[in-house]
Amino acid sequence: DQQVKQNSPSLSVQEGRISILNCDYTNSMFDYFLWYKKYPAEGPTFLISISSIKDKNEDGRFTVFLNKSAKHLSLHIVPSQPGDSAVYFCAAPPYGGSQGNLIFGKGTKLSVKP
Amino acid sequence: NAGVTQTPKFRVLKTGQSMTLLCAQDMNHEYMYWYRQDPGMGLRLIHYSVGEGTTAKGEVPDGYNVSRLKKQNFLLGLESAAPSQTSVYFCASSSHRVGYTFGSGTRLTVV
Repeated sequence: DQQVKQNSPSLSVQEGRISILNCDYTNSMFDYFLWYKKYPAEGPTFLISISSIKDKNEDGRFTVFLNKSAKHLSLHIVPSQPGDSAVYFCAAPPYGGSQGNLIFGKGTKLSVKP
Repeated sequence: NAGVTQTPKFRVLKTGQSMTLLCAQDMNHEYMYWYRQDPGMGLRLIHYSVGEGTTAKGEVPDGYNVSRLKKQNFLLGLESAAPSQTSVYFCASSSHRVGYTFGSGTRLTVV
């Protein structure tokens, strides 16, 4: 079983506060995870990634945390801005699969209110 | 601008009609993909290609065919469109697992 799950379809946050988007996965052999951001009427764009040899990766306001024992990762956005309002997808390459193939979660729609 | 270009951007088809979606990339990427996005379902892989002349099935391949005759182009065909194929279709390309570049999507409605 190789799945990536985002159990929260939506999240609403006030501008300036922290946004936390969660993602769970089923296969402990997954070794790389990515977050993509998607605005309406546009294709998804790569945001940040993390290898399983790390438990944290930071890029400006965006930080991804990986908890391998819980098979859980989270994306933190601090401080949140209205321009961060988008759908966020968690993704991972399947174990044993094609080099470039990715499995995506269903996405979480983030709304940052001014 | 360099990237992935999808044509057309919008299309309305009648049930049973056929059409081809074109994806073109100018980044010399080896891998190309077709995904569909439906409400509450996220992005699901239809077909993909690991190089010119090769194709493979993804998670939801039924009702679709693909061809990769040239490295820069990946075509998605619907031979007999059905309402269940109403969706937004995204093409992507990559040179490795990190470098996915998506097109802006094709919104297809089958009536």
